[in-house]
Amino acid sequence: GAGVSQSPSNKVTEKGKDVELRCDPISGHTALYWYRQSLGQGLEFLIYFQGNSAPDKSGLPSDRFSAERTGGSVSTLTIQRTQQEDSAVYLCASSLVTRGEQFFGPGTRLTVL
Amino acid sequence: KQEVTQIPAALSVPEGENLVLNCSFTDSAIYNLQWFRQDPGKGLTSLLLIQSSQREQTSGRLNASLDKSSGRSTLYIAASQPGDSATYLCAVSGNTGKLIFGQGTTLQVKP
Repeated sequence: GAGVSQSPSNKVTEKGKDVELRCDPISGHTALYWYRQSLGQGLEFLIYFQGNSAPDKSGLPSDRFSAERTGGSVSTLTIQRTQQEDSAVYLCASSLVTRGEQFFGPGTRLTVL
Repeated sequence: KQEVTQIPAALSVPEGENLVLNCSFTDSAIYNLQWFRQDPGKGLTSLLLIQSSQREQTSGRLNASLDKSSGRSTLYIAASQPGDSATYLCAVSGNTGKLIFGQGTTLQVKP
C-alpha cells in the first residue's frame, strides 16, 4: 500500500517568508509525528498528534512553528517568518497506534536563503 | 533526559563480513526501540522494532537485541553486502511514542 508522502520534496524560500509543509500519513494510522533533521542537531522530535487528543507540541523550537492535523489524516507544518537556522529536512512519520512502529516519509528539504 | 549514543560513528568493512552496530541509552524506562536505515537524501526505512518486553527481533540477515536494564541494543548484520551501505539509526520511545534518536552509524561495505 501507499506509504507516508510529503510535499513539496524541496522548498527554497527567503528569510522572513512563511512556508507550509504537508504530510499524508498511511491510511488508518492514528498517530502522526513531525521530526527535523539538521547537520548540527541530528534528528529531533517536533510535534505529535494522536487521534482527537491535544497534540504534544513539546518539541517545537519557537512560536513561529505550528502544525495542524485535519480530519485525523493530513497534517500541515507551518513555519512563519523563516530564519536561516530553520534550514533542515523535515520528516513526517505515522504509526497505527501510539508507541507503534513508525513509518517515515521521504522528507521536505527546506532551504532558507 | 534520555540520551542515545551510537558507536562507532562510521564503519568500513569488506563485503561478506558479519558486523555489529551498537546503541546505548541512558534511561531504561523505554517503551520500545527501533532501528532504521537512511540512504543519502532519503527518508528513514524501518528495519526492526523491539518492544521493551522482548530480547531480540530478526529479519532476514538482520538481528537486533535489547538489554533494557543495561541500556543497550545491538544490530547484527550477517554476510554484509554493498547494498547494506547506509546510515543506521537507533531510536527509543517513551510513553508517548516520540522517538529519541542516536547520531547514527555510517556503514560502507566495499565490494
